[in-house]
Formats: sequence, structure tokens, C-alpha cells
Amino acid sequence: EAGVAQSPRYKIIEKRQSVAFWCNPISGHATLYWYQQILGQGPKLLIQFQNNGVVDDSQLPKDRFSAERLKGVDSTLKIQPAKLEDSAVYLCASRSTGAGTEAFFGQGTRLTVV
Amino acid sequence: AQTVTQSQPEMSVQEAETVTLSCTYDTSENNYYLFWYKQPPSRQMILVIRQEAYKQQNATENRFSVNFQKAAKSFSLKISDSQLGDTAMYFCASKNEKLTFGTGTRLTIIP
Repeated sequence: EAGVAQSPRYKIIEKRQSVAFWCNPISGHATLYWYQQILGQGPKLLIQFQNNGVVDDSQLPKDRFSAERLKGVDSTLKIQPAKLEDSAVYLCASRSTGAGTEAFFGQGTRLTVV
Repeated sequence: AQTVTQSQPEMSVQEAETVTLSCTYDTSENNYYLFWYKQPPSRQMILVIRQEAYKQQNATENRFSVNFQKAAKSFSLKISDSQLGDTAMYFCASKNEKLTFGTGTRLTIIP
């Protein structure tokens, strides 16, 4: 079974530039998460999708971050414009239907804003 | 709001010894799930063990076991016969609607 795919693995941009991350979840997984993990901290949920609908985006900085999940499969997370404090690893995870099912994570995208 | 607290930022133990990582959580839900995830330097989070809150029996997966104290909202992870490959960040997580993580414990196994 293929895992959660994320690209790119690494990205370096200057502040005020824009960037986009892509996630392809495990086939058939209805739930998709985007987390931000700052170095030395635990993952912080940015947005949760159920199919192509947003379940929770309460911690997404909506003035600069946006995410979409067209057709309930792939998802993109965009930052525009980026700030220095956005430097972090962005993790995508997916989970099948079922309250206690395991979330499977991608390898993440390490973003450095200079 | 759902919170998860890991009070041990770093721990180290000799190979083959037993180590226990602590986790407390707070939730207003009755039905929830608890997880321990491992994040090695490669960054990919891997599930170690899960516990359903309505089950009193503590979950066990080979060398990994939990001590789930529902009334105290405590969910510690015990690693027996620790191995060098256990060196990683360990995150405790709680799930009802949202999957919320703690701040992690960096575990180092010393040869």
C-alpha cells in the first residue's frame, strides 16, 4: 500500500514570497490533516478535511494560509506571503473512516523562510 | 478544548533497560482515543500504540505497553528492553474530533 506522498521535501524562500505544498493521501482515506511542526515542538493542526469539506481550520492563519482539497483526494496548502516564523515542517496525514483508526503521515516538507 | 501535556522534554536510558514516558491529557469527551507516535530523524511519524478510552485493559504491542489511568487522565508509555532503534521523538496524542499532539519527548538510547 502506498503511503502519504508529499512534495517538495525541502523549500527555501524569501520572506513575502509565496509557496505551495502538495499532499496525496492514501487511497480511500476520507480524512486529511495538515500540521505545522516548528523545530522542537509538537505538530499543530492547521486544517482538517473530511472528503473535500473543511472540518476544522480554527488554527489556520487565514490572512496568509489557504488550503484546498479538490475532489476529496489531493490537497494543497499555500502560504502567501510567507513570514520568517512560518519556517517549519509541514506534515500531511490521512486517515480512513472510523473513530479510532490510525493517522498515516507523510515525510513532510521542510520550509525555510529567509 | 483538548490539550495534551508531556512534561519530559528529554530522556535517555541505557540499551536493554526499561523507560517510561509520561503523558497527561484533558478532554471533556467520554469517547476518545489515545495514541503514542514515534518520529525518528527521518521525520516520518509512525504509530507505536493506541488505546481506546472505553477499554480498561492497557494496550500492549510487543516491547511497548501503556499505563492508562482514565480518572487521572494519564497515558504513559513503557518501552521494555530498549533498543538503539528506539531513539526518536515520541509524541502522545488524543483524538475525539481532532487529533491533538503533545510537545514530545526526545528519547535517546545509549549503547
